[in-house]
Amino acid sequence: KAGVTQTPRYLIKTRGQQVTLSCSPISGHRSVSWYQQTPGQGLQFLFEYFSETQRNKGNFPGRFSGRQFSNSRSEMNVSTLELGDSALYLCASSLGALRGANTEAFFGQGTRLTVV
Amino acid sequence: GENVEQHPSTLSVQEGDSAVIKCTYSDSASNYFPWYKQELGKRPQLIIDIRSNVGEKKDQRIAVTLNKTAKHFSLHITETQPEDSAVYFCAASEASGGSYIPTFGRGTSLIVHP
Repeated sequence: KAGVTQTPRYLIKTRGQQVTLSCSPISGHRSVSWYQQTPGQGLQFLFEYFSETQRNKGNFPGRFSGRQFSNSRSEMNVSTLELGDSALYLCASSLGALRGANTEAFFGQGTRLTVV
Repeated sequence: GENVEQHPSTLSVQEGDSAVIKCTYSDSASNYFPWYKQELGKRPQLIIDIRSNVGEKKDQRIAVTLNKTAKHFSLHITETQPEDSAVYFCAASEASGGSYIPTFGRGTSLIVHP
């Protein structure tokens, strides 16, 4: 079974630009979560999508948005990039089953975004 | 919301020693506590987890303990080996709309010296 795939692996953008990152979950997984990882802040939750709907959201500005397609693939978009957005962006997929079920999260390799 | 504190931020041990990483959480509703290991340049991977109805869980050289009353949980690694060197993240989760959204600690960089 293929793991979680994120593309691209590396990205360099200029301040003010926008960027779109992609995440393909493990087959059968319906939940995709996105995290920002920086050396100082660790892993911070951005949002979670389940069945094409945003189900949970972290404390990030509206410049960060996402969506999920019918095949569970998810994209994350960051508009008006700032230097502080430079980070490793990780997505994680899980079954996202009903309350009480095991929902172990499997991470992708991440996209390293550098804003210059 | 949930807040997870993790200590120490860096832990240096000699090969063969034990290592202990401690985490505290704030939300008594949290009931799932996974631990992830992230080697340099690689993705975080689940190494062990514990649910709130269990006090301790072991898997070979690693074990996790949970004290719900005190709201703290710990990772114990015995007979450490150089390949255990990595960043370890603890997390606490509560069911939210049917899913578990973990809040992560800031990580512990474990260095095992041969």
